[in-house]
Amino acid sequence: SQQGEEDPQALSIQEGENATMNCSYKTSINNLQWYRQNSGRGLVHLILIRSNEREKHSGRLRVTLDTSKKSSSLLITASRAADTASYFCATDGTGFQKLVFGTGTRLLVSP
Amino acid sequence: KAGVTQTPRYLIKTRGQQVTLSCSPISGHRSVSWYQQTPGQGLQFLFEYFSETQRNKGNFPGRFSGRQFSNSRSEMNVSTLELGDSALYLCASSGGQGDYTFGSGTRLTVV
Repeated sequence: SQQGEEDPQALSIQEGENATMNCSYKTSINNLQWYRQNSGRGLVHLILIRSNEREKHSGRLRVTLDTSKKSSSLLITASRAADTASYFCATDGTGFQKLVFGTGTRLLVSP
Repeated sequence: KAGVTQTPRYLIKTRGQQVTLSCSPISGHRSVSWYQQTPGQGLQFLFEYFSETQRNKGNFPGRFSGRQFSNSRSEMNVSTLELGDSALYLCASSGGQGDYTFGSGTRLTVV
């Protein structure tokens, strides 16, 4: 079974608005990563945040990590139609050499 | 640098047949992992190879197997295909710093 849960499952917004997605996980982690997937294609790495970091920025992306709550959030500011995709969080646990993915959030950005 | 290359992009197979998928990692990356993505189960870890050794295996039946060659290229094999094996198969290469780069995937359809 998947470790991570994401909410919302689907999100529909207008261009220019902000989009926030949340991820919860169950076990200790080395890091947490966010990926984007367009129409069932490959996963594109967006951002990695390590367990000793609380916030990280990359362009229009802002990720937070709260290890006490075992949760993370991804904020996309000033969304564009091209941001329409599915977004997944993935955790990399100690000694596991694998990623455990969340259930994903489908984001639709309308022009 | 070249990304992760998966071949073929699409495959249609008949139940009972077997299939072999290939993944060429980023040059210098010695870890290759495989994931299965289905609408019902999401993204699930299959196995991970490092320097030709399987280090970790997911909860999949023995029909799913893999190997890694001395040049780090990896193959996965699925024998006695079932309809439920229809999925997008993704491979990822890693340099060992928690960085995973995914290929575009192989879409397998079993009829």
